[in-house]
Amino acid sequence: SQQGEEDPQALSIQEGENATMNCSYKTSINNLQWYRQNSGRGLVHLILIRSNEREKHSGRLRVTLDTSKKSSSLLITASRAADTASYFCATKTSYDKVIFGPGTSLSVIP
Amino acid sequence: DAGITQSPRHKVTETGTPVTLRCHQTENHRYMYWYRQDPGHGLRLIHYSYGVKDTDKGEVSDGYSVSRSKTEDFLLTLESATSSQTSVYFCAISQLLAGRFRGTDTQYFGPGTRLTVL
Repeated sequence: SQQGEEDPQALSIQEGENATMNCSYKTSINNLQWYRQNSGRGLVHLILIRSNEREKHSGRLRVTLDTSKKSSSLLITASRAADTASYFCATKTSYDKVIFGPGTSLSVIP
Repeated sequence: DAGITQSPRHKVTETGTPVTLRCHQTENHRYMYWYRQDPGHGLRLIHYSYGVKDTDKGEVSDGYSVSRSKTEDFLLTLESATSSQTSVYFCAISQLLAGRFRGTDTQYFGPGTRLTVL
């Protein structure tokens, strides 16, 4: 089992719809980050949320963090075909380690 | 990609041969990392560096060694490649050590190297 696990593993939606993916973790964290990876490319940082924050926004992205449930969600509103990618959460634990989850593969159909 | 290049981008090699992957950055970031990415595992840290000649092991360091003789270059060596090391390898950099500071520790990733060991 992994510290950070995204859910669902794969998601397919129509352009214009909202996409929601979740990340669950096991141990307490200092912060949680979301990254995007386009096919054949490296990861790109999207947003960081600290353990004392509950919600953050960045453009069409909204991230929530519920430390009591040890979970985070990433919402992409009004999705576009260009949002097609894999999305990873990365948790920084109290033991000073950053651990990446296996990712959610998002397909946005034009 | 934040001034990070990796070479080669693709490599096919045979079991038992040595392989060296190079990561080069132009950002003057202190910290550099090597990850491998495999289906179902996400990214797993192999080794990282917190300065010239200062390196430490990650969670999957067996079979790998690293060297950093200059700020801008971080080399990953597979002394004797095995088929289990077939993977995509990513280099990343950060200004602050990921996991060592209660603040921004964003990592910037290179484009990756696809390594196949036959």
